Order: sequence, then C-alpha cells, then structure tokens
Amino acid sequence: QQQVKQSPQSLIVQKGGISIINCAYENTAFDYFPWYQQFPGKGPALLIAIRPDVSEKKEGRFTISFNKSAKQFSLHIMDSQPGDSATYFCAASSQGGYNKLIFGAGTRLAVHP
Amino acid sequence: NAGVTQTPKFQVLKTGQSMTLQCAQDMNHEYMSWYRQDPGMGLRLIHYSVGAGITDQGEVPNGYNVSRSTTEDFPLRLLSAAPSQTSVYFCASRGGAEAFFGQGTRLTVV
Repeated sequence: QQQVKQSPQSLIVQKGGISIINCAYENTAFDYFPWYQQFPGKGPALLIAIRPDVSEKKEGRFTISFNKSAKQFSLHIMDSQPGDSATYFCAASSQGGYNKLIFGAGTRLAVHP
Repeated sequence: NAGVTQTPKFQVLKTGQSMTLQCAQDMNHEYMSWYRQDPGMGLRLIHYSVGAGITDQGEVPNGYNVSRSTTEDFPLRLLSAAPSQTSVYFCASRGGAEAFFGQGTRLTVV
C-alpha cells in the first residue's frame, strides 16, 4: 500500500528550464509535506516543506504547490541547473507522527547543460 | 558537529550471518529512525524511537531488531541476514519536524 505516490520516476530538463515533480497522498490526517534532495552516495537532506494551511511556499528557485482538496502537492524547480541533478523524494506525515515519515518512490532529475 | 554518523559505510554478509549497523547523533535529538532504500521504492521505515528505552515498529520491521539505551545511539541489528535485506540503510534523527539523515550503509547479503 503506497500512501504517497510520486511521479515521474525520472525527468530530464534542459538548463534554465522548469522541473516539476508531483505527489499524491491518501491519508487526510497528513499535515506535513517535506521534499528531500539526495545526491549519489549521500543521505537525503530537507529541501523545503509545507503545511496544508497554505497553498504555496517558495524558497529561492524551489516552490511547493499544495492542493488540499485534490490531495496533491508538487515541487517546482525554476531555472534548473546541472547542480540540481539529484533524486528528489516527497514525503508526508501527521502531527505527532513525524517519526512515521512516509516517502514517495523518488524522482531522478537530470539537468542537461 | 558531526550530525548523524553511520558505520560501516559498506558491508557484505553471508546469508544467515548477523550484524549490527551503528548510528550515532550528537544533536541531542529525542527521535531517531531507521529506513531502508530500495530502487523504485523510496525510503521505507523499519523501526523508530521516541526516546531512550522506547522503540516501535515501522512499515517493514521483520528481520530487524533495535534498542535505544542512550539518546545518542540507535543500533539496528540483523539477526540472520537474508538476500532480501540487501539494501541501503539510513538512520535519521530529528528534534523538530525536520529529519537529519546519515550517509547510509550499503549492505549486500550473498
């Protein structure tokens, strides 16, 4: 049972383009939605996170869009750079259940120069 | 400040062998977790702890044991390794909502 579904599995974007990764969740109790970035040989690192009381959060070139009614959220990377090439994971958890972060399957992003 | 430290980085085991993956954090975090990462499946929660002496099961606990005798350490034990446990294992700790991950242990069971 996959509670957080992530797509696409892989993504190729040209430098300067917009990368978009989508996630959908099932559990309406989820109220914390982080995105993690992972480089080869490294552990995941928090990139940006959102709570359902806002529809969008922006940090630099990274934006999370959140649609509570559709139970979907997405990561947008503006002006994508080769250094953004990594695997991105969406995740979700419920208040009091932060230990139970449920991850999506991951998206491998390649940004070509 | 080392953050979350995992040892070893790589390990090859024979089927049936036992071993302990070590995890230590120096951030005085109460919460620690173990995940396994497999291709196409993201990270799946194995076990977690909300403080010294308190542990609980995650999504995929079978074949793994944990204990938490100190705030700093959260070892993961494989009692009888199986090829299905070939994976990359990550330990994480958190003080607030953000989880901090170690660099992982790549385990191969042959």
